[in-house]
Amino acid sequence: NAGVTQTPKFQVLKTGQSMTLQCAQDMNHNSMYWYRQDPGMGLRLIYYSASEGTTDKGEVPNGYNVSRLNKREFSLRLESAAPSQTSVYFCASKGTGVLYEQYFGPGTRLTVT
Amino acid sequence: GQQLNQSPQSMFIQEGEDVSMNCTSSSIFNTWLWYKQDPGEGPVLLIALYKAGELTSNGRLTAQFGITRKDSFLNISASIPSDVGIYFCAGQRTDSNYQLIWGAGTKLIIKP
Repeated sequence: NAGVTQTPKFQVLKTGQSMTLQCAQDMNHNSMYWYRQDPGMGLRLIYYSASEGTTDKGEVPNGYNVSRLNKREFSLRLESAAPSQTSVYFCASKGTGVLYEQYFGPGTRLTVT
Repeated sequence: GQQLNQSPQSMFIQEGEDVSMNCTSSSIFNTWLWYKQDPGEGPVLLIALYKAGELTSNGRLTAQFGITRKDSFLNISASIPSDVGIYFCAGQRTDSNYQLIWGAGTKLIIKP
């Protein structure tokens, strides 16, 4: 059982380049999330998708776009990367109901030079 | 954006010692979650709390949902080397659907 998977694991971009981070979950969860993690700041929510077909902005959405491709997959796109987007990006998913337990992927380490 | 106040920021402990950490907020929460993150990995859920006053254990770990609903505590008894990592608290506010608020983490380091 893979849980939440993310690709790529590492990426280096030049300023202005674009890329898409991929996330997939095999737990039949409705909700999916993208976070970024910077040293000393914990996790900050970029975008989330409460269910297939819907997406909403989180705390730090500027410079990012998302696509909920189907129930399994939720991608994060950087259209024009900036050094301030150097971070570790985590995807998470959550099942239905009143529980708020989120399950995380292994992360993508992105460096923008 | 709002963050939880998590303390301490880091701890040096001897193997076998007990560890305590906590999170506080100015807002009322209806869910508290405790996660552990190992280097190079994503956070892994340790304990989930859903009711004020609730005390829940997971092996040597015990967490409590504060009675005021504005704080939570995590205790680790008889620490071992594999307890090393960063521990995060996360809370879900009563007025927020789907989103969690995260603490900045407590880094646990075992003295050689």
